[in-house]
Amino acid sequence: QITLKESGPTVVKPTQTLTLTCAFSGFSLGSSGLGVGWIRQPPGKALEWLAVIYWNDAEYYSPSLKTRLSITKDTSKNQVVLTMTNMDPVDTATYYCIQKGSGRALAYWGQGTLVTVSS
Amino acid sequence: DIQMTQSPSTLSASVGDRVTITCRASQSLSRWLAWYQQKPGKAPQLLISMASNLESGVPSRFSGSGSGTEFTLTISSLQPDDFSTYYCQQYNSYPWTFGQGTKVEI
Repeated sequence: QITLKESGPTVVKPTQTLTLTCAFSGFSLGSSGLGVGWIRQPPGKALEWLAVIYWNDAEYYSPSLKTRLSITKDTSKNQVVLTMTNMDPVDTATYYCIQKGSGRALAYWGQGTLVTVSS
Repeated sequence: DIQMTQSPSTLSASVGDRVTITCRASQSLSRWLAWYQQKPGKAPQLLISMASNLESGVPSRFSGSGSGTEFTLTISSLQPDDFSTYYCQQYNSYPWTFGQGTKVEI
């Protein structure tokens, strides 16, 4: 059974750096073709893809946020970490962790974690 | 970036209705298009991948069609559990992009 769970702060201040961790089970990021990524959703708005990292260390980022994002993986711990710098109130959103299978759409999602940016 | 345009934004329907949602891409996706259902406070759930492949466990009243730049999601007979928001997503190329969503309401 594949599960993913996000963890991190629920509130961050403007200009701070957000660090979110995705802990997953049921698969290994050492397996060919697999990736783990992040998608966010501001309250009442649409989904926005942020970043993904693959088994072979390939990383892809949203061009509009690329300068602020970093994604890393710890294969031995089954974890992926997303950092986003210079947080702003417009970054208030639910952040979801997802699994990307080779040639597949996004079949597995975490429950999401709401991050509020406020002073 | 590939822009995804969904229509309509909101759809009012009744139980038993046939419902169709359209998603248009700004460039060809071949068939790399997925549909998701999202209920309030929950993560999206994958319904259809590769434009028309129904995911395991998804009721057969859901179907997808299309290729290239125009795609549709059809619910053949709307059930009470189907009142949700639906999103299309292209995974043909980075950055992955989503439509703005279609809310299906009573």
